[in-house]
Amino acid sequence: DAKTTQPNSMESNEEEPVHLPCNHSTISGTDYIHWYRQLPSQGPEYVIHGLTSNVNNRMASLAIAEDRKSSTLILHRATLRDAAVYYCILDGGATNKLIFGTGTLLAVQP
Amino acid sequence: NAGVMQNPRHLVRRRGQEARLRCSPMKGHSHVYWYRQLPEEGLKFMVYLQKENIIDESGMPKERFSAEFPKEGPSILRIQQVVRGDSAAYFCASSPPPGARSPLHFGNGTRLTVT
Repeated sequence: DAKTTQPNSMESNEEEPVHLPCNHSTISGTDYIHWYRQLPSQGPEYVIHGLTSNVNNRMASLAIAEDRKSSTLILHRATLRDAAVYYCILDGGATNKLIFGTGTLLAVQP
Repeated sequence: NAGVMQNPRHLVRRRGQEARLRCSPMKGHSHVYWYRQLPEEGLKFMVYLQKENIIDESGMPKERFSAEFPKEGPSILRIQQVVRGDSAAYFCASSPPPGARSPLHFGNGTRLTVT
């Protein structure tokens, strides 16, 4: 499975946008980019996924670089409830088995 | 529309006892995945099952651990003769068949404590 690299931690202020980066320089043509997050004491929660084009949903936006070697998860207005570990994962699609890395711990300050 | 249900939420076992963790997938989902999260660590894939079949058990310890997903009823992760190192949160996820690129839906886990 191709590997992703994320910063260990980031900080944001409440109601400001947050840009969470992910590098995946060895991504293959069929790999989808998935983002999940895990709030304290809960199971992971799906956030968004995409292949080539930028994607938007009610939770976030996903900006994918033209060469697909990096992507950015954008939370438009961070709230205290967005404090979580965010995981960027590549999915080759043969199975839905996802391999989680260490993710980015996002702290949101009031 | 109930999500993935895991029970029990918390389980305490003495060393040497057996632990049975249950996972009921979302309605219409035929694929189940088990993950383990040790304290202060990331999620590690254990096993991936379809109804009555183990598809990928590459993350399962070779001894004491087994998993099943019968035709009827929940998926079960069974740990025999538990040791302190088995203390962790065990998460189950479900999905429709792969190929649909559908996201995994996770339960809130079973926290196993071995005393």
